Amino acid sequence: EVLLMESGGGSAQPGGSLRLSCAASGFKFNSYEMNWVRQAPGKGLEWVAYISSTGNTIHYADSVKGRFTISRDNAKNSLYLQMNSLRAEDTGVYFCAREYARNPFGFWGQGTLVTVSS
Amino acid sequence: EIVLTQSPATLSVSPGERATLSCRASQSVGSNLAWYQQKPGQAPRLLIYGASTGATGIPARFSGSGSGTEFTLTISSLQSEDFALYYCQQYNTWPPMYTFGQGTKLEIK
Repeated sequence: EVLLMESGGGSAQPGGSLRLSCAASGFKFNSYEMNWVRQAPGKGLEWVAYISSTGNTIHYADSVKGRFTISRDNAKNSLYLQMNSLRAEDTGVYFCAREYARNPFGFWGQGTLVTVSS
Repeated sequence: EIVLTQSPATLSVSPGERATLSCRASQSVGSNLAWYQQKPGQAPRLLIYGASTGATGIPARFSGSGSGTEFTLTISSLQSEDFALYYCQQYNTWPPMYTFGQGTKLEIK
């Protein structure tokens, strides 16, 4: 069974930092592309960042480019999102997601809540 | 950026009836379109990918159709557990600039 479990969410002040983690199990982690997706309270879904199976290719949404960094540790079956220079509009639930049949969001974690407020 | 527009915003249907949800893309996405179901407090669940292929474990009452810019999700006979939010999403772009529709809320009539 594919399992993805996010952690690291919490409260931060504007301009602050948080690091999210996503622990993967039930599949060969180093064979799959991974993504982060977020959802502001009461709002829709927004893709945040992509990383290839090897970590060599990375892409970001314009809204987070230059502030967020996606990475992975295939030896630890883990995905990360380093979030710097946080803004109020970064508030929301952050999901990690695994590719499935070329679709980038085939499997999802349960999400972790990030709140940016002074 | 490819914009996906879902209609209607809210759809009221009685249990046992058919529901038809639409998704229109601002430019062609081929068949690289997926549908998700989301219930309150839960992560989205993949229903359909490749515009018309059901994901593993998804009941046969869910079906998808369309290509290019016009897509439809049909739920043939609504069950109580189907009342939820539904999103379409395109994955046709590279570098990835994946986008979602704004969602359709399917509610009990």
